[in-house]
Amino acid sequence: EVQLVESGGGLVQPGGSLRLSCAASGFTFSSYDMHWVRQATGKGLEWVSAIGTAGDPYYPGSVKGRFTISRENAKNSLYLQMNSLRAGDTAVYYCARGRDVMDVWGKGTTVTVSS
Amino acid sequence: DIQMTQSPSSLSASVGDRVTITCRASQGISNSLAWYQQKPGKAPKLLLYAASRLESGVPSRFSGSGSGTDYTLTISSLQPEDFATYYCQQYYSTPMYTFGQGTKLEIK
Repeated sequence: EVQLVESGGGLVQPGGSLRLSCAASGFTFSSYDMHWVRQATGKGLEWVSAIGTAGDPYYPGSVKGRFTISRENAKNSLYLQMNSLRAGDTAVYYCARGRDVMDVWGKGTTVTVSS
Repeated sequence: DIQMTQSPSSLSASVGDRVTITCRASQGISNSLAWYQQKPGKAPKLLLYAASRLESGVPSRFSGSGSGTDYTLTISSLQPEDFATYYCQQYYSTPMYTFGQGTKLEIK
C-alpha cells in the first residue's frame, strides 16, 4: 500500500524551530518529487515547499529563508526544517507525492506556534 | 505569482443535483490545473489533473473543463459522499504552486 506518514509536529514558541518528518512506503520514493502543504484551521491549502528527485528545493516567499526541505532516499524519508517560527505558521502540515500534481497525501501533523 | 480564485466560496445543493464550481487564474495556465476534494479532518484527495483528466478510481460523475484562465469542475449527479470542500491548484508556474481558496459544498 502506498503510504505517507508525517511526524514531528507539536507546540513551539515563536522564534523556535521544529523538524517534521514524512515516512514513505509502498513506492519507489527516490523516483518522485515531494511536497509539503499546510492548512491553518478553517483555512485553505497553502503550498510550502517541494523537492525534486535530485534534491533541488523550492519555496514560496512566505517561508523562503526560514524553512528547509530535504530528503533521505536511503531511508524513504522527507523532512522539513522550520526555523524562526511565527504564529502564522500554525497549521496541519501534509506531505504529498508528485511532480506537479499531488496524487498521494499523508494524514498530516499539527504544528502550533504559541507562547 | 499566479492567483487562483474559486467561485462560489460555498454552495448548497441536494443529492442528485448537477453542480459546477469555477476556478479562475490570474493569467493563462494552459490546462495545468488539478482539482482536489477534502472532507473534514481528512487529507485532500486528487480528483482531476490537466484540467479534465480523471484520476484513477474517481467516479465518472466528476468532470473538468476549461482553457486559458477559466476552468470548471462539474459533478453530474451529487451523491451523499460528495459533500466536501473542493480546491483547484495550478501547476503552470512549476515549481511554484498555488491553490484556490476552496469551495465548500453543503447539503441543502
